[in-house]
Amino acid sequence: AQSVAQPEDQVNVAEGNPLTVKCTYSVSGNPYLFWYVQYPNRGLQFLLKYITGDNLVKGSYGFEAEFNKSQTSFHLKKPSALVSDSALYFCAVRDPLYSGGGADGLTFGKGTHLIIQP
Amino acid sequence: KAGVTQTPRYLIKTRGQQVTLSCSPISGHRSVSWYQQTPGQGLQFLFEYFSETQRNKGNFPGRFSGRQFSNSRSEMNVSTLELGDSALYLCASSETPGASNEKLFFGSGTQLSVL
Repeated sequence: AQSVAQPEDQVNVAEGNPLTVKCTYSVSGNPYLFWYVQYPNRGLQFLLKYITGDNLVKGSYGFEAEFNKSQTSFHLKKPSALVSDSALYFCAVRDPLYSGGGADGLTFGKGTHLIIQP
Repeated sequence: KAGVTQTPRYLIKTRGQQVTLSCSPISGHRSVSWYQQTPGQGLQFLFEYFSETQRNKGNFPGRFSGRQFSNSRSEMNVSTLELGDSALYLCASSETPGASNEKLFFGSGTQLSVL
């Protein structure tokens, strides 16, 4: 089975400060990892993904994420937060060797509310 | 290209009724999946269709059903509605499920309220 955990329901950051949204995962094989963002009254939008290669992945809107295999983590980061980054962020994992799970084998975390204070 | 379109945007029903939600995927996408989103449970996978066949199913009762048409459009149906079915129902599409470079494209959802 595969699972993903987002240990923080909410993260508060002052505008201009760096931000980190945490994600840890559990899979039996090598994971495919994703971050999605949801703005109010909208569906989810893809931010970035890790499939293989460089552990630091760059995505949309200045976000990046670091894959750490030994800590089974895939934390989302941004060097300088904007008020417009305030949204709900979801981490998702897929084990390419696992045929179950959700759509396209993806399992989502419960989400983390990111609040950027002016 | 137009994005994923879900209709209706809002729906209010009473307990015991049934409801049908519609999803039109991005042109060329043959995979459609459905999620239920609630504040307490987050995103819960309902089912996934590819080329008119159900490919995967989540852990929901039989009151929740879906189908996909030959043009890839999908509908989901919930019968005998319960208060707990109140949620945002999200549809997502992708070209070919299972590919390593695939990502999901989500619609804005249908907000269902059961009174």
